[in-house]
Amino acid sequence: NAGVTQTPKFRILKIGQSMTLQCTQDMNHNYMYWYRQDPGMGLKLIYYSVGAGITDKGEVPNGYNVSRSTTEDFPLRLELAAPSQTSVYFCASSAAWAGEYNEQFFGPGTRLTVL
Amino acid sequence: TQLLEQSPQFLSIQEGENLTVYCNSSSVFSSLQWYRQEPGEGPVLLVTVVTGGEVKKLKRLTFQFGDARKDSSLHITAAQPGDTGLYLCAGARGSQGNLIFGKGTKLSVKP
Repeated sequence: NAGVTQTPKFRILKIGQSMTLQCTQDMNHNYMYWYRQDPGMGLKLIYYSVGAGITDKGEVPNGYNVSRSTTEDFPLRLELAAPSQTSVYFCASSAAWAGEYNEQFFGPGTRLTVL
Repeated sequence: TQLLEQSPQFLSIQEGENLTVYCNSSSVFSSLQWYRQEPGEGPVLLVTVVTGGEVKKLKRLTFQFGDARKDSSLHITAAQPGDTGLYLCAGARGSQGNLIFGKGTKLSVKP
């Protein structure tokens, strides 16, 4: 049981390039999330999904896109990378809305630098 | 506007000392979670508090939810270097909806 896995672990992009951050979970969770974490800024929600085929915007969605074709996978696409997208990206999943009876399980993160 | 304010932002202490970190808001939360994040890893859940005034203990860590469910504290007794990390509080408003994370308290415990 690997939990939430993310690839790649590190990546350097040039301005204007695009890439896909991969996220897979093996816990059969319906809910999946993408966060970015900037130094001293906590976690900001980019996109989330409550099930296959359903995605919705979080707090900071501009410059990103997602898809959810299966329960297991939730890739994050960066189009036209900008220096402002330099950050650590975390994928997470939960059985239902996190809170009283549910926790979010996080992947190990992808450290992205845009130069 | 940050909905959940954590303080202090940074804390550096010696092994064996006690400490308290705070998570405050002007909003009411139905539950509040504390996560710990070690360098290079994702956050891991420590505890969830649900009832106003609730106190939960996890070995040397004591978590309290305020009576009005607007704030929470984490107290660590006799801190150890293994307690080093970023402590994040996250609030849920209702049974549906996304968690709201604070910016975190970065704790360093020196041997």
